[in-house]
Amino acid sequence: GDSVTQMEGPVTLSEEAFLTINCTYTATGYPSLFWYVQYPGEGLQLLLKATKADDKGSNKGFEATYRKETTSFHLEKGSVQVSDSAVYFCALSDQNSGGSNYKLTFGKGTLLTVNP
Amino acid sequence: NAGVTQTPKFRILKIGQSMTLQCTQDMNHNYMYWYRQDPGMGLKLIYYSVGAGITDKGEVPNGYNVSRSTTEDFPLRLELAAPSQTSVYFCASSYRGGPNTGELFFGEGSRLTVL
Repeated sequence: GDSVTQMEGPVTLSEEAFLTINCTYTATGYPSLFWYVQYPGEGLQLLLKATKADDKGSNKGFEATYRKETTSFHLEKGSVQVSDSAVYFCALSDQNSGGSNYKLTFGKGTLLTVNP
Repeated sequence: NAGVTQTPKFRILKIGQSMTLQCTQDMNHNYMYWYRQDPGMGLKLIYYSVGAGITDKGEVPNGYNVSRSTTEDFPLRLELAAPSQTSVYFCASSYRGGPNTGELFFGEGSRLTVL
């Protein structure tokens, strides 16, 4: 079945540091890939997405490129801020898995803490 | 602009008690979902609905029930609460085709503790 594997956290960085959070996936069909962010005490929000190979999703300075050859969708940001402290979830939606296409499969989440 | 509203935000239950988590959305979305979030385990789908009167099981439905009598409401019922149901519960919704674009809208969550 479908699965998403994220790098283990927590990740602690200083402000203005470069961020990478690794995400790899397994899917039987042609998945769309997403990054969600969960700020403290809130629900998840869609951060960015990519729907086909080589697409790059971007939002709020974050980027991720859909790499089919390595089945990866790593999240990057060139200069993090304290306000980026949150839990980040990689997720996929596989339209052609043969099963339900009504759900997202989430990774376990990576806690990012950015210190001033 | 309310979006997805969940109540209650916090609840403590005793083993064997029952309760209902309420979820309402005002975006006229067809699809609604209940997820649970356990520490270090990501989100697991409990139940989902593709429209009023239609519900189906997700990955972890045991111990839960749902109903969808209106487009707006999707309550989650816990019968005979057990410690294993201690978790944070999230309701979410999306428009038709939303799952394929990943654009789910989440509520703020309901933290449930079963003692």
